[in-house]
Amino acid sequence: DIQMTQSPSSLSASVGDRVTITCRASQGISSYLIWYQQKPGKAPKVLIYAASALQSGVPSRFSGSGSGTHFTLTIDSLQSEDFATYFCQQSYSLPRTFGQGTKVEV
Amino acid sequence: EVLLVESGGGVVRPGGSLRLSCAASGFNFEDYGLSWVRQVPGKGLEWVSGFNWNGRSTGYAASVKGRFIMSRDNAKKSLYLQMNSLRAEDTALYHCARVRLLVWGSTALDALDIWGQGTMVTVSS
Repeated sequence: DIQMTQSPSSLSASVGDRVTITCRASQGISSYLIWYQQKPGKAPKVLIYAASALQSGVPSRFSGSGSGTHFTLTIDSLQSEDFATYFCQQSYSLPRTFGQGTKVEV
Repeated sequence: EVLLVESGGGVVRPGGSLRLSCAASGFNFEDYGLSWVRQVPGKGLEWVSGFNWNGRSTGYAASVKGRFIMSRDNAKKSLYLQMNSLRAEDTALYHCARVRLLVWGSTALDALDIWGQGTMVTVSS
């Protein structure tokens, strides 16, 4: 199974900051990478797919990059509604696997 | 409205069994793959089992392989998870989620675009 490792596990930031989260795959997954955002008590929501494609309705301050084994999610000018937990997930092979999550907090 | 509603959770003793159900509405059920994802409250997501986007391939996490069996009934628009030989570490909120094909350039991949609110499974003596 492919292991996904995110870093950091949590980070403190302020409104207006630029935030970068990293996800590494244990083997190459091309661009088969998805980023989700989850807020407390809510289901996860797709932010980015195919490593860099912005899901419809997601603000343009979110961006993704990477290919192979190294990926990043960047939030430019963090807004109050962005404080949440972010997960990466590989969609390259079954079983699908998630990273352990990165909590973005004040 | 597209909805997924899970049921069947509860408290069960280690070694016991439980069957979860997920009822779908608001979309053409047979056209989509589906997955089960679990989450210990306050912790991360663990993909448990699922179909790919066209429903032709299935997989299980190593932690549940051989103990859990996923099935679907298109006529009833329902997804099921039969959980056997349950362990304390299976305690979690179990979500079902719809698998949707997304395409970007030459990359076509599936993502979990609609999630249910989950049903809680507690394995305890």
